[in-house]
Amino acid sequence: EDQVTQSPEALRLQEGESSSLNCSYTVSGLRGLFWYRQDPGKGPEFLFTLYSAGEEKEKERLKATLTKKESFLHITAPKPEDSATYLCAVDVRRWNNDMRFGAGTRLTVKP
Amino acid sequence: SAVISQKPSRDICQRGTSLTIQCQVDSQVTMMFWYRQQPGQSLTLIATANQGSEATYESGFVIDKFPISRPNLTFSTLTVSNMSPEDSSIYLCSVEGRQTHNTEAFFGQGTRLTVV
Repeated sequence: EDQVTQSPEALRLQEGESSSLNCSYTVSGLRGLFWYRQDPGKGPEFLFTLYSAGEEKEKERLKATLTKKESFLHITAPKPEDSATYLCAVDVRRWNNDMRFGAGTRLTVKP
Repeated sequence: SAVISQKPSRDICQRGTSLTIQCQVDSQVTMMFWYRQQPGQSLTLIATANQGSEATYESGFVIDKFPISRPNLTFSTLTVSNMSPEDSSIYLCSVEGRQTHNTEAFFGQGTRLTVV
């Protein structure tokens, strides 16, 4: 069965304290892995897509990496405005849409 | 990218009633998707809505409970019928950025439903 597991469930950082969020997956036929940011009361906002092991993408303080079994979202020198829930999703695409979402990591960055 | 407008943004409803959620996209899209996000949990796909055909429902979701309309390529509705407190959740409309494989999804801001 396809599964996506995110860890930790919640993470509290001081401003400037770098860390990583993990997304591990067990799927057959991965066609893409996605990272989203979700602020309270809003829909998920797309951040990155990764397609193959070894691929990396960067955006400001965020960097996403992918291996054959997991993905990491590295946050370098975070700021309070980075506080949000970060969602990971995998596309197994057997039919029209076959996205499997993780439960998310709730990140809080304190000033 | 696509801009998705969803309404209402939130509602409090009595059990046994129904609520219809609307989703408007600023461009024509083949497929629109409806998700449910229960408190502290991941997004779960309810159904895929294609224009001109019946919606395709995921396991655990049925048309009688969650009827969907898709009258054109920019609009869809999801109705939550005969609501119970267990239906309290955030409901999200989504579309793909491109109509090809391996695309990111774009989401509306969600509808926060509370059933009392």
